[in-house]
Amino acid sequence: AQSVTQLDSQVPVFEEAPVELRCNYSSSVSVYLFWYVQYPNQGLQLLLKYLSGSTLVKGINGFEAEFNKSQTSFHLRKPSVHISDTAEYFCAVSVSNQGGKLIFGQGTELSVKP
Amino acid sequence: NAGVMQNPRHLVRRRGQEARLRCSPMKGHSHVYWYRQLPEEGLKFMVYLQKENIIDESGMPKERFSAEFPKEGPSILRIQQVVRGDSAAYFCASSPQGSMNTEAFFGQGTRLTVV
Repeated sequence: AQSVTQLDSQVPVFEEAPVELRCNYSSSVSVYLFWYVQYPNQGLQLLLKYLSGSTLVKGINGFEAEFNKSQTSFHLRKPSVHISDTAEYFCAVSVSNQGGKLIFGQGTELSVKP
Repeated sequence: NAGVMQNPRHLVRRRGQEARLRCSPMKGHSHVYWYRQLPEEGLKFMVYLQKENIIDESGMPKERFSAEFPKEGPSILRIQQVVRGDSAAYFCASSPQGSMNTEAFFGQGTRLTVV
């Protein structure tokens, strides 16, 4: 079975500081990896995805993530955060032969303070 | 091109009533997924449907929950005889293909409160 673990439930940071949100996954088959952002009372918006190729993936809003197969990790980073980045962030995997369904981590609440 | 539309956005039901949640996928999308988000938790997969077919319902509770995606009209998630534990946000996502490398687009969710 596949699983996704987000190691931090809450991450408080100051504006303009760098941030890393950690994600580890477990799977015996190949997966694709995604990061979604959820603003309060909203749906999920795709930040970025790793399908193949370069292990460093760039997404929207200045976010990037690095796929590390040996460590089964897909950590999300931003060099300088803004107040508007305050939101819940979800790491997810989709698994071959399972028709595109996503398995989500528990989420990380990013709180950016002035 | 309108996004994934879910309605209602908020739904209040008394224990024992039925809840019907609707999801209209993006134009051209024939694959629909339903997820449930309990308070303080991530999203959990419930069911995956194509037009007129249930492809994967491995995440659906065995009783009281059902889903359909008819040839015409929105996908419906039905919860019969709701209980307090059904209170959650229910999200629908759609994609043009049911493959692992295709982005799924999410609706804004229906927040169900059972009183």
